[in-house]
Amino acid sequence: GNSVTQMEGPVTLSEEAFLTINCTYTATGYPSLFWYVQYPGEGLQLLLKATKADDKGSNKGFEATYRKETTSFHLEKGSVQVSDSAVYFCALSIKGNKLVFGAGTILRVKS
Amino acid sequence: DSGVTQTPKHLITATGQRVTLRCSPRSGDLSVYWYQQSLDQGLQFLIQYYNGEERAKGNILERFSAQQFPDLHSELNLSSLELGDSALYFCASSDYRGGDYGYTFGSGTRLTVV
Repeated sequence: GNSVTQMEGPVTLSEEAFLTINCTYTATGYPSLFWYVQYPGEGLQLLLKATKADDKGSNKGFEATYRKETTSFHLEKGSVQVSDSAVYFCALSIKGNKLVFGAGTILRVKS
Repeated sequence: DSGVTQTPKHLITATGQRVTLRCSPRSGDLSVYWYQQSLDQGLQFLIQYYNGEERAKGNILERFSAQQFPDLHSELNLSSLELGDSALYFCASSDYRGGDYGYTFGSGTRLTVV
């Protein structure tokens, strides 16, 4: 089946630190890959996406590159801010079907 | 405001009761998806409707049912509620291109069963 595995959190960083959240996937087919973010008390928001191998999704300083050879889509940001504190979900979709989410990674950024 | 509206925001009810959660999709979106978010199970896909018809089913219990109406709003009905049904229930919508282009999520309904 299709599944997504994310690094366990929480991840705690100081402001301006470099962020990496690992995500790997298993898919029967060629998935589209996503990162969603959930701020406290809110729904999920699409952060970035990539639909084919070697594509890089980027938004708000976050980046992730679709790596087919390692079945990975790691999220990175060069300098995190306190306002980036949230839960981050990696997800995949195949041929427009339902999104399959990872367990989520809590990010806490200290000032 | 994401454009997806869920009501109510909070719901507290007793075991054995029945509740209805409502979702209005973003304007122009034909697909509606329901997800359950709990601490132990994470985000679980329940069901998808496309233009009024059931398109896909996930781990939805028999006590739960859903429908999408001609105006495209959707309702999730939860009956014979148990303590374990306490969770956040999210609705999301997408256009005809489906999940490949991402969903727009509502802010959720927090259900507490006591």
